[in-house]
Amino acid sequence: TQLLEQSPQFLSIQEGENLTVYCNSSSVFSSLQWYRQEPGEGPVLLVTVVTGGEVKKLKRLTFQFGDARKDSSLHITAAQPGDTGLYLCAGDSGGNKLVFGAGTILRVKS
Amino acid sequence: KAGVTQTPRYLIKTRGQQVTLSCSPISGHRSVSWYQQTPGQGLQFLFEYFSETQRNKGNFPGRFSGRQFSNSRSEMNVSTLELGDSALYLCASSLDHGTDTQYFGPGTRLTVL
Repeated sequence: TQLLEQSPQFLSIQEGENLTVYCNSSSVFSSLQWYRQEPGEGPVLLVTVVTGGEVKKLKRLTFQFGDARKDSSLHITAAQPGDTGLYLCAGDSGGNKLVFGAGTILRVKS
Repeated sequence: KAGVTQTPRYLIKTRGQQVTLSCSPISGHRSVSWYQQTPGQGLQFLFEYFSETQRNKGNFPGRFSGRQFSNSRSEMNVSTLELGDSALYLCASSLDHGTDTQYFGPGTRLTVL
């Protein structure tokens, strides 16, 4: 069974601080996706990383995929209150079956 | 382009009843996957449908079933509801079966009393 361990579970920071969320597995994934979810809504896709060692930037968000395609990280620079939400990593285990991490609840205080 | 739509958004049922949830994928998308999200277990894969056939299945009991129609719309059914079935049920669509980006709908919040 493929598992994704996500850390930390909770993050409460001040506006302007930086943060990193980690997503680790002992399994190799063909791709890994990061989502952000607000209460009562479905997850919204932020990025898909496919190639080992890949780095993608989305404004203040930087995503990395490990060389072995087993781990990933999400780094947010100068966090803003609008970044508050649940961040989920998900690995594609084949056949459109996503394996999700438990999620990181981020709260950015102004 | 309209996103994934799910109906109803909220549902309250009692134990022992059955429920049917509906999902309309993004236009042109042919694969629909279903997930259950609970505070304790997080997001878990239920099943995936492509070309009206179930292609992949998660570890859920047979009370959970689904189907897909020729227009790619999908329904999932849960029979003999249990309290533990209370969850947010999410549908995700993608262009094709296989490795492809999935786009989620807003979900159906099911409460079982």
